[in-house]
Amino acid sequence: GDSVTQMEGPVTLSEEAFLTINCTYTATGYPSLFWYVQYPGEGLQLLLKATKADDKGSNKGFEATYRKETTSFHLEKGSVQVSDSAVYFCALSPKTSYDKVIFGPGTSLSVIP
Amino acid sequence: KAGVTQTPRYLIKTRGQQVTLSCSPISGHRSVSWYQQTPGQGLQFLFEYFSETQRNKGNFPGRFSGRQFSNSRSEMNVSTLELGDSALYLCASSLARDRISPLHFGNGTRLTVT
Repeated sequence: GDSVTQMEGPVTLSEEAFLTINCTYTATGYPSLFWYVQYPGEGLQLLLKATKADDKGSNKGFEATYRKETTSFHLEKGSVQVSDSAVYFCALSPKTSYDKVIFGPGTSLSVIP
Repeated sequence: KAGVTQTPRYLIKTRGQQVTLSCSPISGHRSVSWYQQTPGQGLQFLFEYFSETQRNKGNFPGRFSGRQFSNSRSEMNVSTLELGDSALYLCASSLARDRISPLHFGNGTRLTVT
């Protein structure tokens, strides 16, 4: 079945460091891909998405490119801030509209001043 | 536009009791999904409702049930609570049941079973 794999962390970075969180997926056809972020004490919120191969999603300085050839959707940010400390979830929405969204295990990020 | 509202935010129950959680989706959203989040298991899909019908169900025992009303509000019920049911229960709504509409999550209900 469809699945999402991502580095689990925790990841600890200094402020202004470069961030990469790896995400790979297994799916039939062409799913849509998402990154969600969960801040402490809150639910998840959409960070960015890409719906077809080679699409680049971007938001708040974060970027991710849908790579069909490597089945990947790695999240990157050039300079992280303390306020980026959160848990990041990679997710896919399968090709049919009748299948549930599948989430990765989440990657905890701590940014220290 | 109001976001997804979940009530209550916190619940403490005793083993063997039952509990009902409520979710009000974003206005106009007709799809509502429920997830259980625990440190060990991550996000586990419970079920999804669309137009008052259950469209998808996760791998949970029959003690977990849900329903959706005509105004798209949803409730989930857990009967005969077990210690392992302690978790954050998240509700998410979506505008449409397609592969591109993102999920909009509430802040969850934290259930503690003692």
